[in-house]
Order: sequence, then structure tokens, then C-alpha cells
Amino acid sequence: EDQVTQSPEALRLQEGESSSLNCSYTVSGLRGLFWYRQDPGKGPEFLFTLYSAGEEKEKERLKATLTKKESFLHITAPKPEDSATYLCAVQAWGGGADGLTFGKGTHLIIQP
Amino acid sequence: ETGVTQSPTHLIKTRGQQVTLRCSSQSGHNTVSWYQQALGQGPQFIFQYYREEENGRGNFPPRFSGLQFPNYSSELNVNALELDDSALYLCASSSQGTGANVLTFGAGSRLTVL
Repeated sequence: EDQVTQSPEALRLQEGESSSLNCSYTVSGLRGLFWYRQDPGKGPEFLFTLYSAGEEKEKERLKATLTKKESFLHITAPKPEDSATYLCAVQAWGGGADGLTFGKGTHLIIQP
Repeated sequence: ETGVTQSPTHLIKTRGQQVTLRCSSQSGHNTVSWYQQALGQGPQFIFQYYREEENGRGNFPPRFSGLQFPNYSSELNVNALELDDSALYLCASSSQGTGANVLTFGAGSRLTVL
């Protein structure tokens, strides 16, 4: 069974204070690892897809990296508008279901 | 380009009732999937529809059923509602391909079962 564990559950940072969010996963065969952002009362918004160990992707203040067992979402010099819940998910090859397996998310608060 | 739209946004039902939730896919997408998100949890995969047929299902009982229409819109039906069915129901659309499928989510339908 595919599993995703995210840590920490919650993180409070000062504006400009860089940090990293962790996503540990077990999957039978990784088809893709996804990062989404979810604001209160809204659906998840796609950020990145990573396919293989060693891959990195960047978007503004966010950078996602991938190893064979975990992914990190690095946030550099965050701003209050980066406050949200960040969700990690995996999709596996094979099987009857193409659905994503999500973690519980990291609730990030950036204080001005 | 229109995104994914869901209706209703909020609804309240009582235990034992039935509910239908609706979803319009993003333009150009041919696959629809549904997720259940309980408070404080990540979304859980319910099922996926492609070419009007269910082609993937998560660990949900048969009282959760769905439809996909020729215009790629979709419905989620839940029979015999239970208190634990209270959650945010998310619809997501994508284009079926050989790689990992990037999902575009709607804002969700918040269901409360009393």
C-alpha cells in the first residue's frame, strides 16, 4: 500500500525565514510525486511534479527536490502570501486505480 | 480557459439520505476523478472516470457511485449517508496520458451529515 507522511504538521515562520517541508513516501513504483498548495476553502493548486530521484524544480520562492524515499519543498525568504497548507502526493504505476495518495499536509504560517 | 467548477458549494443532509454532487471539467480535459477530504486530512481518492466508465477506484464502498457524461462533466452520488461522510468533496480533471497525470481541482462541495 502506498503511503505518504509529511512533516512537520504545522510550521510558523517569520517573513524572510527560509525552511524546508518534508515528504516521506513508500510506493510500489513511482509514476510521479506531486506538490500542491491548498488555501482555506479552496481546492488544491498544482505546484510541481517530480519523476525521478535527483530531479529538482523551482517556482518563485519554492524549490522541490526528490530522492528515492523523500521529497523536500524548500521555501526561500517566504512572504505572508505563502501561508497555506502544502500537500504532497504520489502516483504509482500499475494497478487498477490511477488515483493520487496524499499526505495530511503541512500547515505553513508566515508572520509579517 | 475555464477551470473546474463544482456544485453545490455547501449542503446539509441527514443520516440515511442520498446526495448528488456535480462537476464540470476544465476545457480540454477528458478524465474526472473525485476525492474526499475530511477536516485536517489530505484528500482520499474515491474513483476516476474516463470515456464515461469508471477506470480506477480507491477504498470506498459501493454506496459511492458516479457518472461521467459525454461533455466530460461528472456526478458523485452517495447513498445511505453516514455521519463519517461529512467532508469536502473535491472533483479534479486531467488529460489521460502515459505519464503522471496533473490534476486540476475544483473548490469542492462541503457536505455536512447530521
